[in-house]
Amino acid sequence: SQQGEEDPQALSIQEGENATMNCSYKTSINNLQWYRQNSGRGLVHLILIRSNEREKHSGRLRVTLDTSKKSSSLLITASRAADTASYFCATDPPGTYKYIFGTGTRLKVLA
Amino acid sequence: EADIYQTPRYLVIGTGKKITLECSQTMGHDKMYWYQQDPGMELHLIHYSYGVNSTEKGDLSSESTVSRIRTEHFPLTLESARPSHTSQYLCASKSSAETQYFGPGTRLLVL
Repeated sequence: SQQGEEDPQALSIQEGENATMNCSYKTSINNLQWYRQNSGRGLVHLILIRSNEREKHSGRLRVTLDTSKKSSSLLITASRAADTASYFCATDPPGTYKYIFGTGTRLKVLA
Repeated sequence: EADIYQTPRYLVIGTGKKITLECSQTMGHDKMYWYQQDPGMELHLIHYSYGVNSTEKGDLSSESTVSRIRTEHFPLTLESARPSHTSQYLCASKSSAETQYFGPGTRLLVL
């Protein structure tokens, strides 16, 4: 089964509100990454957080990582209609070059 | 903007046809990946490559095959397409750094 489970599966918010999505995983990791996917397109890398980091910021994005709970969250502040997309977490288990993707959260930001 | 390309972007073919999905990158990345993704669903790794002449099957069983004769090129072939192969196929690459760069994807419909 897939390493990552994300919740919620879908989220609909008003422009200007914050959006939070969560990712849980099963094994130890080297790092965890978040990607965005616009409908019918490839994935775009957003942010990476290493296993020894707890929080990271990039513009309007804030990522947290709790390795004891094997979970991560992505917060998008002051959301915009252009943030409408699917968001995936991906984990990088030690000893492998493979990435394991979560099930994704579909975010819709209403103007 | 990542320099990774996929062709064709869309393909509609009949059952039993042989097809090759092309993926090329100009970044000199040694690792390349193929994922299969049904609409709105998670990504499943079907093939990956560590470098020239090195290919491995991924976590999802696939009837496709791949080759890596040149660093920049990682084509995926289906010898006999079936309706169950209908999906989106995403190619990605990475260097020794952690970030994967994705192509725009190929949407395949097998009638």
